[in-house]
Amino acid sequence: AQKVTQAQTEISVVEKEDVTLDCVYETRDTTYYLFWYKQPPSGELVFLIRRNSFDEQNEISGRYSWNFQKSTSSFNFTITASQVVDSAVYFCALSESSGNKLVFGAGTILRVKS
Amino acid sequence: NAGVTQTPKFQVLKTGQSMTLQCAQDMNHEYMSWYRQDPGMGLRLIHYSVGAGITDQGEVPNGYNVSRSTTEDFPLRLLSAAPSQTSVYFCASSSYTRGTNTQYFGPGTRLTVL
Repeated sequence: AQKVTQAQTEISVVEKEDVTLDCVYETRDTTYYLFWYKQPPSGELVFLIRRNSFDEQNEISGRYSWNFQKSTSSFNFTITASQVVDSAVYFCALSESSGNKLVFGAGTILRVKS
Repeated sequence: NAGVTQTPKFQVLKTGQSMTLQCAQDMNHEYMSWYRQDPGMGLRLIHYSVGAGITDQGEVPNGYNVSRSTTEDFPLRLLSAAPSQTSVYFCASSSYTRGTNTQYFGPGTRLTVL
């Protein structure tokens, strides 16, 4: 069975600090997809990134970066120079090869204080 | 494109009442799904559909029915509401034939069962 663990329930940082959100996954599939979603206080789910199991290249998008390591089954998310607008719940998710049937972690609440 | 739309945004039911949560998408996506979000548990898959006329159960299907008569619509029916069904419900869609495999979510429906 697939499983996603986000061990950090809540993280508080001061603005401009860097913060890393951890995600560890379990799957027996050789082909799978990993995702990060953001849920701001308004409640909608915003897609951030998708990574397939054959692409271990790290990715950077502005202040966001992702580190995918198959050897440790981790897909961590780093926000550089955090801002108050980054305050949200962040979910890591895993899917089978079709990209459907997402399995979510419990989420990490990120609070960025000014 | 409106993307994925859900109605209503909020709903209060009494135990035993039935209702239908509506979900529609205008992106011609084949895949649609329903998730529920409960505190500390992330999102869990209720039912999903890979195309019109085809539906299947997810992780937590009990107490819910779905049907998919058109590509655009995927309603979720609560047959006899129970307090345990108090949750936030999200509908999502994606297109696996176009290779994106990324699920885009609607704004959610907050349901309270008294």
